[in-house]
Amino acid sequence: SQTIHQWPATLVQPVGSPLSLECTVEGTSNPNLYWYRQAAGRGLQLLFYSVGIGQISSEVPQNLSASRPQDRQFILSSKKLLLSDSGFYLCAWSSKQGNSPLHFGNGTRLTVT
Amino acid sequence: DQQVKQNSPSLSVQEGRISILNCDYTNSMFDYFLWYKKYPAEGPTFLISISSIKDKNEDGRFTVFLNKSAKHLSLHIVPSQPGDSAVYFCAASPSGSARQLTFGSGTQLTVLP
Repeated sequence: SQTIHQWPATLVQPVGSPLSLECTVEGTSNPNLYWYRQAAGRGLQLLFYSVGIGQISSEVPQNLSASRPQDRQFILSSKKLLLSDSGFYLCAWSSKQGNSPLHFGNGTRLTVT
Repeated sequence: DQQVKQNSPSLSVQEGRISILNCDYTNSMFDYFLWYKKYPAEGPTFLISISSIKDKNEDGRFTVFLNKSAKHLSLHIVPSQPGDSAVYFCAASPSGSARQLTFGSGTQLTVLP
């Protein structure tokens, strides 16, 4: 069966420090990969989307970037964190078939101080 | 512009009774609808989906109803159990595209023992 791993679960970082969140998927190949952010009391906002290695689409302008160095690895990064980057970040995968649901990791709670 | 709305931020139901969670959408191009359940500090878990060619889909205690003319979606949980207490998100997309999923803001369901 497919599993998705995301780490760390929580992270506290000072303003101006770099960020690297990692996500890996097991049990499937060539998945679509996603990074979402959930703001308190709000729905999920898509940040980045990838259909394959090295292929990244950014959905909203922001201070963050994403990379996909391997088929089942997705990384969310920042060179210099802002206070507004605090939030709950979720990695997800889906198959390339139509009508395929998203499957989420357990998320990372990022607090920028 | 909220294309997917969950107008009730919270709902309390007695154990054993029916829970009905509602969702409205505005985009007539949406043809694939999903419900997710989310516990605190975890990622959302896919529950059930429905495509626009159906008006009902059932999976165990969970049934999703789709009223296309009213642009309304509902999730019924029967019977409700304390373990069902969680935040429920509805989501919708056009052409079954996971990339274009739009999420509602969520409804906190509390099932009272």
